[in-house]
Amino acid sequence: DGGITQSPKYLFRKEGQNVTLSCEQNLNHDAMYWYRQDPGQGLRLIYYSQIVNDFQKGDIAEGYSVSREKKESFPLTVTSAQKNPTAFYLCASSISTSQETQYFGPGTRLLVL
Amino acid sequence: SQQGEEDPQALSIQEGENATMNCSYKTSINNLQWYRQNSGRGLVHLILIRSNEREKHSGRLRVTLDTSKKSSSLLITASRAADTASYFCATDGGSYIPTFGRGTSLIVHP
Repeated sequence: DGGITQSPKYLFRKEGQNVTLSCEQNLNHDAMYWYRQDPGQGLRLIYYSQIVNDFQKGDIAEGYSVSREKKESFPLTVTSAQKNPTAFYLCASSISTSQETQYFGPGTRLLVL
Repeated sequence: SQQGEEDPQALSIQEGENATMNCSYKTSINNLQWYRQNSGRGLVHLILIRSNEREKHSGRLRVTLDTSKKSSSLLITASRAADTASYFCATDGGSYIPTFGRGTSLIVHP
């Protein structure tokens, strides 16, 4: 069963703590993306990766970091430098960045304690 | 960065009626996409229309694109309660990386 998965569904962060959101896909897609969605807002691009071991900053990369060591995985770390991390985080993938249709995971909701 | 803007922000209709939502954007594009999001879920791709196309259909969906006006519309015919969701347009601004608008929230009353 092909698809893109995100875990956990809900994540709680304490002040000053780094947390990592998982994103895995078995669609054999080269490109992967992380978006942040705030209530009543559209999606804002945090980072994207066109290929393994390569990633680029999006519009709101400050306070976030990513890695792309495997084609299937693109974890996002929300660092303590991100002062307003409460949001819904969506991971997506596409065949490549020039094949524009994106497939989204179910999302992770991050809350600050 | 380039972003499409959907209009209206919210739309409430009765089952069986048609729903029309619009998207305007600022700079030239390679393509424009429409996505659907059910509450608290990920987005689902609906349709992609390229800059050299004027209209596309998929089931009860009809998308038009007017590049001279930098606008697109999504028409859902014979709406059903299950169509209740938020609908987003995404434009690539020539870069192939889509950027999303704030969405139109559609409520279809049974």
